[in-house]
Amino acid sequence: NAGVTQTPKFQVLKTGQSMTLQCAQDMNHNSMYWYRQDPGMGLRLIYYSASEGTTDKGEVPNGYNVSRLNKREFSLRLESAAPSQTSVYFCASRWQAGREQFFGPGTRLTVL
Amino acid sequence: GENVEQHPSTLSVQEGDSAVIKCTYSDSASNYFPWYKQELGKGSQLIIDIRSNVGEKKDQRIAVTLNKTAKHFSLHITETQPEDSAVYFCAAGVEYGNKLVFGAGTILRVKS
Repeated sequence: NAGVTQTPKFQVLKTGQSMTLQCAQDMNHNSMYWYRQDPGMGLRLIYYSASEGTTDKGEVPNGYNVSRLNKREFSLRLESAAPSQTSVYFCASRWQAGREQFFGPGTRLTVL
Repeated sequence: GENVEQHPSTLSVQEGDSAVIKCTYSDSASNYFPWYKQELGKGSQLIIDIRSNVGEKKDQRIAVTLNKTAKHFSLHITETQPEDSAVYFCAAGVEYGNKLVFGAGTILRVKS
């Protein structure tokens, strides 16, 4: 089992460029999450998908869109990147009847 | 909404000493309090959690205590080892819910 995988590991964008962060899990989990982690602010929820076909906003959704492509994959899109979106992005997943969230290794994004 | 505060932001201890990290939460509806450990360059991993109907929980060298009345909970690590060095996050939310709110994190350094 690979667990939760994320691509890419690192990315540098210019202001205004777009990109999609990919996340996949092989644990047959129902729920998937996108967080951003900034120094001194912990992990903040951007969007989540409680089950295939549904997505909901988290604490900081502005500037992002998500797609739950199938049960395995949950992508995060930045349509027009801004320097304020420089962060480390983590994807996580959880089994519906479980409490634990399983995290991927993260994507470090820099927007110049 | 929920707000979680975590202290201290950094903690240095000598190998073999104990470490204590404290968190407070604001929403009395929260009934689930996990602790995650994040090692350098990796995603966070659940190390222990507690539900609001329990005052204390132990797992080998790690323990968590919860005071519902005061709305605070703490992580205790005894006999610290160099491999305990990491960033620790507390969180609060509703059990089996999708919106965990994380604290800002504590960088723990164990000096050998």
